[in-house]
Formats: sequence, C-alpha cells, structure tokens
Amino acid sequence: QVHLVESGGGVVQPGTSLRLSCAASGFTFGTSTMDWVRQAPGKGLEWVALIFFDGSNKNYADSVKGRFSVFRDNSKNILYLLMNSLRPEDTAVYYCARGRGGGSLDSWGQGTLVTVSS
Amino acid sequence: SYVLTQPPSVSVAPGKTASITCEGDNIGRKSVHWYQQKPGQAPVLVIYNDSDRPSGIPERFSGSRSANTATLTISRVEAADEADFYCQLRDTSSDRHIFGGGTKLTV
Repeated sequence: QVHLVESGGGVVQPGTSLRLSCAASGFTFGTSTMDWVRQAPGKGLEWVALIFFDGSNKNYADSVKGRFSVFRDNSKNILYLLMNSLRPEDTAVYYCARGRGGGSLDSWGQGTLVTVSS
Repeated sequence: SYVLTQPPSVSVAPGKTASITCEGDNIGRKSVHWYQQKPGQAPVLVIYNDSDRPSGIPERFSGSRSANTATLTISRVEAADEADFYCQLRDTSSDRHIFGGGTKLTV
C-alpha cells in the first residue's frame, strides 16, 4: 500500500527558507516520478514541481521557478522541496504525490501546512 | 499557458446523475484525470486516462471526453459524494501539470 507522509511545514517570515520532506513507502520509490502540489486556504489545487524517477529531469510552475528546488534521495525513499525567498502567497498546504505514466497523480500524502507571515 | 475551465458549482438531488465538465483547447488529444477532495482531506484520484477507474472507486463514477470537453459523470449520487472535484492533465509541451479551478458538488 502506497504511503506518503509530508513533514517540515510551519510558520515562517517572508524572505526566509524552508525544506519540506515526503517519506515514501509501500512502492518502488526509485522508479516513480514524484510531484509537489499545493493548495492555498480556500483555493484550488496548484501544481508546483515534478522530478523524474532518477532526478534527471525537474520542472517547476512559473510561480515558484527560481525560488523552489525539488530533489530526492532514492536510497532513503524521501522527496524534498526546498523553498527559498518565501512570500505570503506561498502560504498553502503542500502535498506530495506519485505520478503515473499517463500523467495522473495516483497517491497523495496528507499534506503539510506552510504559513508565510510576518 | 494551457487553461482548464470548470463550472464553480454543480447541484444534484440524491439518486440523480451529476455531470461535471472540464473545457480546454483540444483537450480531446490529451489524457484527462479527475480528483475528488472532501473538506480537510487530500485529493483522491477517481478517474484516470479519461475514463479508467482506480481500484476501489465505485462504478458510479465514469469519465468521457470529446474534442474540447472532458466530463466526469456520477450516477445515483449519494450524500457522501459531496466534495470538490478537479480535472487535471499533463501538458506534454511544457511537461507541467495543469489543474482546473475545481467544481463544488452539492448534493
């Protein structure tokens, strides 16, 4: 059974950094594309970033490109999202999700809340 | 950039059929996926690749697609189906995922 657990969220000030983690179990993490998706309070889903199974390809939403970085440790089955220069509009619940071949996201974690506020 | 458009809300009586649309340019050439999200919970994939159902999703949930519209259909709607629904696809030209704005289904 696929299990994804995010951690690392919290309250931070604008301009600071935060690193989120997503611990994966129940599947072969090292062969799966992984994604980060966020949801601002009361808003819809916004895709943030993806990383190929081997880290060879990464892509980002325009809203975070140049500030956020996605990486993974396949030896530990952990996905990361390093968020720099945080802004109030980055406030959201951040979910990690497993990507499938057709582009669907078939398993999601429970999310971790990031609040950017002074 | 590519945009997916959903109606903000759909209302349906229990036992009836609900249809939620997702419009996008030439969406008929792309694989569309649908998610259900209940308050305080993570999204759950209910339809993938336009019309396939993951294991555990009731047969009442079905998907279809035409040239510019994808549709999620829920038959024999139950109170427990009340949730937000999102369509999504992977834009292969930019290698990015696109979500629709979401539709609140009220039963």
